[in-house]
Amino acid sequence: GDSVTQMEGPVTLSEEAFLTINCTYTATGYPSLFWYVQYPGEGLQLLLKATKADDKGSNKGFEATYRKETTSFHLEKGSVQVSDSAVYFCALSENTGGFKTIFGAGTRLFVKA
Amino acid sequence: GAVVSQHPSWVICKSGTSVKIECRSLDFQATTMFWYRQFPKQSLMLMATSNEGSKATYEQGVEKDKFLINHASLTLSTLTVTSAHPEDSSFYICSAYRQGDEQYFGPGTRLTVT
Repeated sequence: GDSVTQMEGPVTLSEEAFLTINCTYTATGYPSLFWYVQYPGEGLQLLLKATKADDKGSNKGFEATYRKETTSFHLEKGSVQVSDSAVYFCALSENTGGFKTIFGAGTRLFVKA
Repeated sequence: GAVVSQHPSWVICKSGTSVKIECRSLDFQATTMFWYRQFPKQSLMLMATSNEGSKATYEQGVEKDKFLINHASLTLSTLTVTSAHPEDSSFYICSAYRQGDEQYFGPGTRLTVT
């Protein structure tokens, strides 16, 4: 079945450091790919998405490129802030009626001032 | 934007009682809603897919009789945890899918069973 694998956390960075959170997926079809963010005590928010190969999703300085050849969707940000501290989930959806979504395990990010 | 609400945001109940959690799409109609369970520091586990006017589809390992899901209208789905036990304590999150768009998540409901 479909699955998402993302790097284990926690990831601890200093403010203004470069961030990469790796994500790879397994899917039978051509899924859409997502990054969600969950701040402490809150629900999930969509951070960015890409719906086809070579698409780049971006939002709030975060970027991720849909790489079909490597089945990856790594999340990057050039300069993290303390306010970016959260849990980040990589996810996929096969878009086959109903939009069922499979989530990765989540990666907790701590950014120190 | 699309907003999904959940009520209550947190609830404490005694073992053996039932608890109902509501999920509402406030400004759009959702033909499909999803219910997830999230354990501390873990990912979301899909429990069931709820389609308006039909029975929910449960994921493998999820007890249908324990987690009753009703999708009575295009803007409301409810999850009832029946005969709750301490092991049911968790963070329950719903999402609503807007056709042709994406799914939007509710803020979650923290259930504590004592």
